[in-house]
Amino acid sequence: GAVVSQHPSRVICKSGTSVKIECRSLDFQATTMFWYRQFPKQSLMLMATSNEGSKATYEQGVEKDKFLINHASLTLSTLTVTSAHPEDSSFYICRGSGGSKDTQYFGPGTRLTVL
Amino acid sequence: QKEVEQNSGPLSVPEGAIASLNCTYSDRVSQSFFWYRQYSGKSPELIMSIYSNGDKEDGRFTAQLNKASQYVSLLIRDSQPSDSATYLCAVTYFGNEKLTFGTGTRLTIIP
Repeated sequence: GAVVSQHPSRVICKSGTSVKIECRSLDFQATTMFWYRQFPKQSLMLMATSNEGSKATYEQGVEKDKFLINHASLTLSTLTVTSAHPEDSSFYICRGSGGSKDTQYFGPGTRLTVL
Repeated sequence: QKEVEQNSGPLSVPEGAIASLNCTYSDRVSQSFFWYRQYSGKSPELIMSIYSNGDKEDGRFTAQLNKASQYVSLLIRDSQPSDSATYLCAVTYFGNEKLTFGTGTRLTIIP
């Protein structure tokens, strides 16, 4: 099956720093990328949806200036957590879509810990 | 607000038995339904997708969809310890690829 990679898999940073998470579709063109956040023992919450070449659409309650999403190509989308704080510590997961219900693939996730 | 409901569990099932997981959804325009398995610390992996009423079988897994009653279930036959995980039900709506997830059911298979 198709593969979506995420980098880094785990990051620990100090409060106030910015962290960039990369999500790559390796063998299909991800026209849409979904970014999720999952806190311990909770379900996945959609943060934003990005389409290649256009601005991301953020879910209610998600600060677009804090969580910067770039989807400049059909194989790469990035999520930057700016000025991270301990409450941003979470598991961040991307999901790439090739435009049909049969081409939907999750990345392996990035564990962010903000000290 | 569109909602997807699951019993959070934990659900404990003896090895070799049938595990039954249930999910209800609130919006009648829900179109596609998915079951994901998530191991601790890992991202979800797709187990089954179902789009029309009835049963769909894949190996030890059977998904059942009843749109009139707005529920979708997953049966796992001959449960194995490796099936121990959190199972997430997810729904998409017509014309939209966004997945709305339930809270997940934690399943434990007892050897």
